[in-house]
Amino acid sequence: SYVLTQPPSVSVAPGQTARITCGGNNIGSKSVHWYQEKPGQAPVLVVYDNSDRPSGIPERFSGSNSGNTATLTISRVEAGDEADYYCQVWDSRTDHYVFGTGTKVTVL
Amino acid sequence: QVQLQESGPGLVRASETLSLTCTVSGGSFTGYYWSWVRQPPGEGLEYIGYIYYSGSTNYNPSLKSRVTVSLDTSKNQFSLKLISVTAADTAVYYCARVNFGGSGYARRFDSWGQGSLVTVSS
Repeated sequence: SYVLTQPPSVSVAPGQTARITCGGNNIGSKSVHWYQEKPGQAPVLVVYDNSDRPSGIPERFSGSNSGNTATLTISRVEAGDEADYYCQVWDSRTDHYVFGTGTKVTVL
Repeated sequence: QVQLQESGPGLVRASETLSLTCTVSGGSFTGYYWSWVRQPPGEGLEYIGYIYYSGSTNYNPSLKSRVTVSLDTSKNQFSLKLISVTAADTAVYYCARVNFGGSGYARRFDSWGQGSLVTVSS
């Protein structure tokens, strides 16, 4: 089965840039989506199809995908961005939905 | 804007059947997959399965032998049944809508319910 690997944690100071990686075999050939999950709340889609943002998501959230790594970038980090972030792809070969291992973003 | 809401027992005995229902409001069933995702305490997200409005289904291979997802369009609901549960099935269960994207390849979960904690007791 397809595996997506994320760093367990990322720490960033307010106003700085956080980069969260999602590694997978030839992930650049897939469409990657990112979710933000705050404690006690449901996940929220923040980036879809590698780099598009749903309505209502700040432009500070952006994404890229190439080779074996996809990246979610959060610019000008705010305290409210502290959350767990998950990447996700659809494996067309098996018609299954795969989530990454998750990254906890801590705002210092 | 579509809204999803899970309902069902919060406590299930080991070896019995977990049953949850998701009520959908503010949107149509057609053109989307309707899915279940779970999250054990302190762990990550795990895809369980989906149902299309036509009735076709797809399940995570690790759960396939124990899972059934069904649809009742007359009630705007879809349901999850998981048989022979153990403590490892204790989790927050989310229902979510899968958006295909224009090409059909950008399949993502674009709307989620608030989640329902189900605890399996021995």
